[in-house]
Amino acid sequence: NAGVTQTPKFRVLKTGQSMTLLCAQDMNHEYMYWYRQDPGMGLRLIHYSVGEGTTAKGEVPDGYNVSRLKKQNFLLGLESAAPSQTSVYFCASSDKTGATYEQYFGPGTRLTVT
Amino acid sequence: LAKTTQPISMDSYEGQEVNITCSHNNIATNDYITWYQQFPSQGPRFIIQGYKTKVTNEVASLFIPADRKSSTLSLPRVSLSDTAVYYCLVGAGTASKLTFGTGTRLQVTL
Repeated sequence: NAGVTQTPKFRVLKTGQSMTLLCAQDMNHEYMYWYRQDPGMGLRLIHYSVGEGTTAKGEVPDGYNVSRLKKQNFLLGLESAAPSQTSVYFCASSDKTGATYEQYFGPGTRLTVT
Repeated sequence: LAKTTQPISMDSYEGQEVNITCSHNNIATNDYITWYQQFPSQGPRFIIQGYKTKVTNEVASLFIPADRKSSTLSLPRVSLSDTAVYYCLVGAGTASKLTFGTGTRLQVTL
Protein backbone atom coordinates (compact mmCIF):
# COMPACT_ATOMS: atom_id res chain seq x y z
CA ASN A 1 0.00 0.00 0.00
CA ALA A 2 1.97 2.99 -1.30
CA GLY A 3 -0.70 5.61 -0.53
CA VAL A 4 -0.32 8.65 -2.78
CA THR A 5 2.64 8.81 -5.13
CA GLN A 6 3.75 11.64 -7.40
CA THR A 7 5.93 11.62 -10.49
CA PRO A 8 8.39 13.26 -10.99
CA LYS A 9 9.88 14.48 -7.71
CA PHE A 10 11.82 17.31 -9.30
CA ARG A 11 11.66 19.07 -12.64
CA VAL A 12 13.19 22.14 -14.25
CA LEU A 13 11.41 23.69 -17.22
CA LYS A 14 12.13 26.59 -19.47
CA THR A 15 9.45 29.22 -19.97
CA GLY A 16 6.94 28.05 -22.54
CA GLN A 17 7.63 24.35 -22.17
CA SER A 18 4.88 21.93 -21.22
CA MET A 19 4.77 19.04 -18.80
CA THR A 20 2.43 16.69 -17.00
CA LEU A 21 2.58 15.74 -13.35
CA LEU A 22 1.19 12.34 -12.42
CA CYS A 23 -0.53 11.49 -9.18
CA ALA A 24 -1.53 7.96 -8.31
CA GLN A 25 -3.36 6.57 -5.28
CA ASP A 26 -4.04 2.98 -4.30
CA MET A 27 -6.66 3.59 -1.61
CA ASN A 28 -9.66 3.55 -3.97
CA HIS A 29 -10.47 7.14 -3.00
CA GLU A 30 -13.12 9.02 -4.92
CA TYR A 31 -11.71 12.49 -4.43
CA MET A 32 -8.37 13.80 -5.65
CA TYR A 33 -6.77 17.24 -5.46
CA TRP A 34 -3.86 19.26 -6.77
CA TYR A 35 -2.35 22.00 -4.60
CA ARG A 36 0.56 24.34 -4.99
CA GLN A 37 2.66 25.63 -2.13
CA ASP A 38 4.89 28.65 -2.44
CA PRO A 39 7.64 29.55 0.06
CA GLY A 40 6.21 30.55 3.43
CA MET A 41 2.68 30.02 2.22
CA GLY A 42 -0.06 27.56 2.88
CA LEU A 43 -1.45 25.27 0.22
CA ARG A 44 -3.70 26.64 -2.50
CA LEU A 45 -6.10 24.37 -4.35
CA ILE A 46 -5.60 24.31 -8.13
CA HIS A 47 -8.10 21.70 -9.34
CA TYR A 48 -9.91 18.79 -7.83
CA SER A 49 -11.95 15.77 -8.86
CA VAL A 50 -14.89 14.14 -7.13
CA GLY A 51 -14.74 10.97 -9.19
CA GLU A 52 -13.46 9.31 -12.34
CA GLY A 53 -14.11 11.47 -15.37
CA THR A 54 -14.85 14.63 -13.36
CA THR A 55 -12.76 17.72 -12.68
CA ALA A 56 -13.45 21.12 -11.15
CA LYS A 57 -11.59 24.37 -10.60
CA GLY A 58 -10.14 25.31 -7.27
CA GLU A 59 -8.78 28.59 -6.01
CA VAL A 60 -5.94 29.10 -8.54
CA PRO A 61 -6.75 27.12 -11.75
CA ASP A 62 -5.35 29.48 -14.40
CA GLY A 63 -2.49 28.03 -16.45
CA TYR A 64 -3.25 24.44 -15.46
CA ASN A 65 -5.37 21.64 -16.83
CA VAL A 66 -6.25 18.30 -15.26
CA SER A 67 -7.67 14.94 -16.23
CA ARG A 68 -9.05 11.99 -14.27
CA LEU A 69 -9.43 9.21 -16.83
CA LYS A 70 -8.87 6.48 -14.24
CA LYS A 71 -10.03 6.54 -10.65
CA GLN A 72 -6.56 6.00 -9.30
CA ASN A 73 -4.81 8.67 -11.37
CA PHE A 74 -5.04 12.45 -11.48
CA LEU A 75 -2.88 14.34 -13.98
CA LEU A 76 -1.90 18.00 -13.78
CA GLY A 77 -0.76 19.65 -16.98
CA LEU A 78 1.08 22.87 -17.66
CA GLU A 79 0.65 23.80 -21.31
CA SER A 80 3.05 26.75 -21.37
CA ALA A 81 5.07 27.04 -18.20
CA ALA A 82 5.75 30.45 -16.67
CA PRO A 83 8.19 31.46 -13.90
CA SER A 84 5.17 32.23 -11.69
CA GLN A 85 4.41 28.51 -11.70
CA THR A 86 7.63 27.73 -9.88
CA SER A 87 6.34 25.99 -6.79
CA VAL A 88 5.99 22.72 -4.94
CA TYR A 89 2.98 20.76 -6.13
CA PHE A 90 1.13 18.38 -3.86
CA CYS A 91 -1.45 15.85 -4.80
CA ALA A 92 -3.95 14.51 -2.28
CA SER A 93 -6.81 12.07 -2.16
CA SER A 94 -9.68 11.48 0.20
CA ASP A 95 -12.80 9.50 0.76
CA LYS A 96 -15.83 10.74 2.59
CA THR A 97 -15.27 10.51 6.32
CA GLY A 98 -17.70 12.54 8.34
CA ALA A 99 -18.42 16.14 7.55
CA THR A 100 -14.96 16.87 6.20
CA TYR A 101 -12.72 14.56 4.31
CA GLU A 102 -9.33 13.52 5.66
CA GLN A 103 -6.85 14.10 2.88
CA TYR A 104 -3.82 11.93 2.22
CA PHE A 105 -0.98 13.80 0.59
CA GLY A 106 1.79 12.74 -1.72
CA PRO A 107 5.45 13.71 -1.22
CA GLY A 108 5.31 16.64 -3.61
CA THR A 109 6.90 17.68 -6.90
CA ARG A 110 9.33 20.58 -6.87
CA LEU A 111 9.02 22.47 -10.15
CA THR A 112 11.30 25.28 -11.24
CA VAL A 113 10.52 27.33 -14.33
CA THR A 114 13.39 29.44 -15.64
CA LEU B 1 -15.70 30.05 4.15
CA ALA B 2 -14.61 30.30 7.74
CA LYS B 3 -11.43 32.35 8.01
CA THR B 4 -8.87 31.11 10.52
CA THR B 5 -6.17 32.97 12.42
CA GLN B 6 -3.18 31.23 13.99
CA PRO B 7 0.10 32.48 15.43
CA ILE B 8 2.81 32.56 12.79
CA SER B 9 5.36 30.76 14.93
CA MET B 10 5.95 29.22 18.34
CA ASP B 11 9.01 27.94 20.17
CA SER B 12 9.13 25.19 22.77
CA TYR B 13 11.60 23.07 24.63
CA GLU B 14 11.54 19.33 24.36
CA GLY B 15 9.28 17.68 26.92
CA GLN B 16 6.91 20.62 27.29
CA GLU B 17 3.24 20.71 26.40
CA VAL B 18 2.46 22.95 23.43
CA ASN B 19 -0.90 24.57 22.82
CA ILE B 20 -1.64 26.17 19.46
CA THR B 21 -4.80 28.23 19.28
CA CYS B 22 -6.80 28.89 16.15
CA SER B 23 -9.49 31.58 15.92
CA HIS B 24 -12.46 31.04 13.63
CA ASN B 25 -15.09 33.59 14.56
CA ASN B 26 -17.43 32.93 11.63
CA ILE B 27 -17.54 29.16 11.92
CA ALA B 28 -20.78 27.72 10.57
CA THR B 29 -23.06 25.32 12.37
CA ASN B 30 -22.03 22.29 10.35
CA ASP B 31 -18.31 23.10 10.15
CA TYR B 32 -15.72 20.76 11.59
CA ILE B 33 -12.25 21.79 12.80
CA THR B 34 -9.33 19.86 11.39
CA TRP B 35 -5.60 20.09 12.08
CA TYR B 36 -2.80 19.01 9.79
CA GLN B 37 0.95 18.72 10.38
CA GLN B 38 3.56 19.34 7.70
CA PHE B 39 7.24 18.45 7.97
CA PRO B 40 9.77 20.10 5.66
CA SER B 41 9.74 18.66 2.15
CA GLN B 42 6.66 16.53 2.87
CA GLY B 43 2.95 16.81 2.28
CA PRO B 44 0.63 17.66 5.18
CA ARG B 45 -0.58 14.87 7.42
CA PHE B 46 -3.95 14.72 9.19
CA ILE B 47 -3.62 14.97 12.96
CA ILE B 48 -7.05 15.37 14.49
CA GLN B 49 -10.56 16.55 13.81
CA GLY B 50 -13.40 17.64 16.06
CA TYR B 51 -16.75 19.38 16.24
CA LYS B 52 -17.13 20.37 19.89
CA THR B 53 -15.75 19.81 23.40
CA LYS B 54 -12.66 17.62 23.43
CA VAL B 55 -11.18 15.04 21.12
CA THR B 56 -8.08 13.02 21.94
CA ASN B 57 -6.06 10.53 19.94
CA GLU B 58 -2.62 9.01 20.26
CA VAL B 59 -0.95 12.12 18.88
CA ALA B 60 -2.81 15.16 20.20
CA SER B 61 -5.86 16.63 21.87
CA LEU B 62 -8.24 19.16 20.44
CA PHE B 63 -10.17 21.48 22.72
CA ILE B 64 -13.19 23.34 21.38
CA PRO B 65 -15.15 25.71 23.65
CA ALA B 66 -18.92 25.86 23.62
CA ASP B 67 -19.09 28.87 21.28
CA ARG B 68 -16.72 27.10 18.81
CA LYS B 69 -15.14 30.40 17.80
CA SER B 70 -11.70 29.07 18.57
CA SER B 71 -9.94 25.77 19.07
CA THR B 72 -6.70 24.65 20.67
CA LEU B 73 -4.44 21.89 19.48
CA SER B 74 -2.51 20.42 22.39
CA LEU B 75 0.67 18.42 21.86
CA PRO B 76 1.82 16.69 25.07
CA ARG B 77 5.53 16.44 25.83
CA VAL B 78 6.83 17.55 22.46
CA SER B 79 10.04 16.18 21.02
CA LEU B 80 12.41 17.51 18.37
CA SER B 81 10.49 15.48 15.79
CA ASP B 82 7.38 17.60 16.41
CA THR B 83 9.10 20.55 14.74
CA ALA B 84 6.74 21.26 11.85
CA VAL B 85 4.07 23.60 10.51
CA TYR B 86 0.59 23.07 11.92
CA TYR B 87 -2.49 24.08 9.95
CA CYS B 88 -5.99 24.69 11.30
CA LEU B 89 -8.81 24.18 8.82
CA VAL B 90 -12.50 24.85 9.28
CA GLY B 91 -15.19 23.62 6.95
CA ALA B 92 -17.74 21.00 6.04
CA GLY B 93 -19.17 19.22 3.06
CA THR B 94 -16.62 19.00 0.27
CA ALA B 95 -12.93 19.19 1.03
CA SER B 96 -12.54 21.63 -1.86
CA LYS B 97 -13.93 24.29 0.47
CA LEU B 98 -11.18 23.82 3.01
CA THR B 99 -8.48 26.48 3.05
CA PHE B 100 -4.95 25.97 4.30
CA GLY B 101 -3.75 29.23 5.80
CA THR B 102 -0.10 29.96 6.46
CA GLY B 103 -0.13 27.77 9.57
CA THR B 104 1.92 27.91 12.76
CA ARG B 105 5.59 27.03 12.56
CA LEU B 106 6.55 25.14 15.74
CA GLN B 107 10.23 24.92 16.58
CA VAL B 108 11.20 22.47 19.32
CA THR B 109 14.68 22.68 20.81
CA LEU B 110 16.63 20.89 23.53
